[in-house]
Amino acid sequence: DAGITQSPRYKITETGRQVTLMCHQTWSHSYMFWYRQDLGHGLRLIYYSAAADITDKGEVPDGYVVSRSKTENFPLTLESATRSQTSVYFCASSPFSRSDTQYFGPGTRLTVL
Amino acid sequence: KQEVTQIPAALSVPEGENLVLNCSFTDSAIYNLQWFRQDPGKGLTSLLLIQSSQREQTSGRLNASLDKSSGRSTLYIAASQPGDSATYLCAVDNNNDMRFGAGTRLTVKP
Repeated sequence: DAGITQSPRYKITETGRQVTLMCHQTWSHSYMFWYRQDLGHGLRLIYYSAAADITDKGEVPDGYVVSRSKTENFPLTLESATRSQTSVYFCASSPFSRSDTQYFGPGTRLTVL
Repeated sequence: KQEVTQIPAALSVPEGENLVLNCSFTDSAIYNLQWFRQDPGKGLTSLLLIQSSQREQTSGRLNASLDKSSGRSTLYIAASQPGDSATYLCAVDNNNDMRFGAGTRLTVKP
């Protein structure tokens, strides 16, 4: 199906483990984004990418690593998960710039025990 | 740092009512403002995007206005329906730095 997908949709892990959240889009959009959504904080940008091999930090990048070797994929890795990283993670894409309309994936609910 | 506030946090109205959702922001030097809808357990869907040079945008029963000088935007929903029940978020873009409000949870009762 065309669009933007995320996997897994739900993940439970333990403190200290490495976790990778996947994001895939079929539109060939240039820009891709990772957000986290927490009660009381709304959505906050973690990292974004303007194109393959170009990534930049957002508002809350600490503890996360991203890569973008292909235009369509933008994985987010938590190298050593902490409880404070329990959240719902959303991937999004936009065609040409950060300020275009953004299209969101369904989200991944991550619980770190 | 841009701060975005949405009041009220929750709103319940009977079907058919016209309603207004509010979004305020502290830094008026914005590039654009977007309104999103989020259904429970789902991602965000973009409803309207207003460029800084525009005053309003319309899509069907939705109308969004922007007043940069006062740091405010409103989303007007006409003839509300139960299917409009969702959380509505505004997001303000200050030249590649997008900040979201916490949202207004809207319930439209049949």
